[in-house]
Amino acid sequence: SQQGEEDPQALSIQEGENATMNCSYKTSINNLQWYRQNSGRGLVHLILIRSNEREKHSGRLRVTLDTSKKSSSLLITASRAADTASYFCATAVYNNNDMRFGAGTRLTVKP
Amino acid sequence: GAVVSQHPSRVICKSGTSVKIECRSLDFQATTMFWYRQFPKQSLMLMATSNEGSKATYEQGVEKDKFLINHASLTLSTLTVTSAHPEDSSFYICSAPAGGRMGGYTFGSGTRLTVV
Repeated sequence: SQQGEEDPQALSIQEGENATMNCSYKTSINNLQWYRQNSGRGLVHLILIRSNEREKHSGRLRVTLDTSKKSSSLLITASRAADTASYFCATAVYNNNDMRFGAGTRLTVKP
Repeated sequence: GAVVSQHPSRVICKSGTSVKIECRSLDFQATTMFWYRQFPKQSLMLMATSNEGSKATYEQGVEKDKFLINHASLTLSTLTVTSAHPEDSSFYICSAPAGGRMGGYTFGSGTRLTVV
């Protein structure tokens, strides 16, 4: 069963703008991960944030985690057309052995 | 980094036939492999977890006899869709814990199965 729920389901922005995607979950977690999927392809791991962390950065990506609200956000700054993809959050309750994916946000970045 | 090679990438088969999908960990040992199914524009649904040398653990609602999973070695896990039907048409993806500092999973490139 799915654990994370992303919003928005779809997001369309212009190149150069920032994109923010949110993920909410229901149970306590060990960590939360964000993945990217290009159409019809496998997933690429972007970033992992542990339950005792509040914010992580990786290049143009910034992830926050609020365990009190059971939510996370993924911010992509200065977006590029190549960022067009679906983005999924996934939560792991115990050591990654029961990871569950949200429905995903389809991001379109217009050149 | 950790790489999982999945093939075939696309397969078209006739109803009633069986299809085998392979996932190999190329530069690491994967004692655990996860198999997911994804319908168009939807999320990944975990089907089963395969463990090297033991029986796979299937998620509720997944038919064990239809989706046969074998994890015979530390580098190879296979999913066989038996007696395929058109409703089995989907995108199947495997993944394994990537380990290391970054954590997370490493995913295969997926298999697009079309049953006609």
